[in-house]
Amino acid sequence: EPEVTQTPSHQVTQMGQEVILRCVPISNHLYFYWYRQILGQKVEFLVSFYNNEISEKSEIFDDQFSVERPDGSNFTLKIRSTKLEDSAMYFCASRGQGRTEAFFGQGTRLTVV
Amino acid sequence: GNSVTQMEGPVTLSEEAFLTINCTYTATGYPSLFWYVQYPGEGLQLLLKATKADDKGSNKGFEATYRKETTSFHLEKGSVQVSDSAVYFCALNIPTFGRGTSLIVHP
Repeated sequence: EPEVTQTPSHQVTQMGQEVILRCVPISNHLYFYWYRQILGQKVEFLVSFYNNEISEKSEIFDDQFSVERPDGSNFTLKIRSTKLEDSAMYFCASRGQGRTEAFFGQGTRLTVV
Repeated sequence: GNSVTQMEGPVTLSEEAFLTINCTYTATGYPSLFWYVQYPGEGLQLLLKATKADDKGSNKGFEATYRKETTSFHLEKGSVQVSDSAVYFCALNIPTFGRGTSLIVHP
């Protein structure tokens, strides 16, 4: 069964460093999303991406965040200068054309120290 | 804008008890509605969905009916098991999620 895969599963970084979280969406999906979840609490929307551009973003997704689809399979989230409060679980999701449901990866736990 | 309101948790039940987790929404138009489940230490899994009024989504003994008149999509299960212990998220279209409701089922 096709699935969304995310790497790494856990990343520890020092405050101020840049991190790139990677996602491989389901292969024929066209809509991509990043969410974060702090301490197992609410799931917060960050950004959605379609046709090689951001289609929607939340107020959390400020200038320190960026997304990219560098090739036909990967979808990345970059945090330029990490802060302690960026520590969270980051989930990638994808959705197929004409479908309403999104499928989520297992997440990357980001710890900023 | 769109929003989802879920009942506060945790919900604590004994095995074989009846479960209801309330979810109401605010949206324009005719959104699709979802329940996702997150087991401890795992990602979000789609549990069920409904795309139009009066649709009933069902999976693994869970059910939810899309009620446009009350703008609700309550999750129900007739007899819960210990293995159902998880956090349940109601969602509206994508990307709007509720805050999640933790379910704890005791043997």
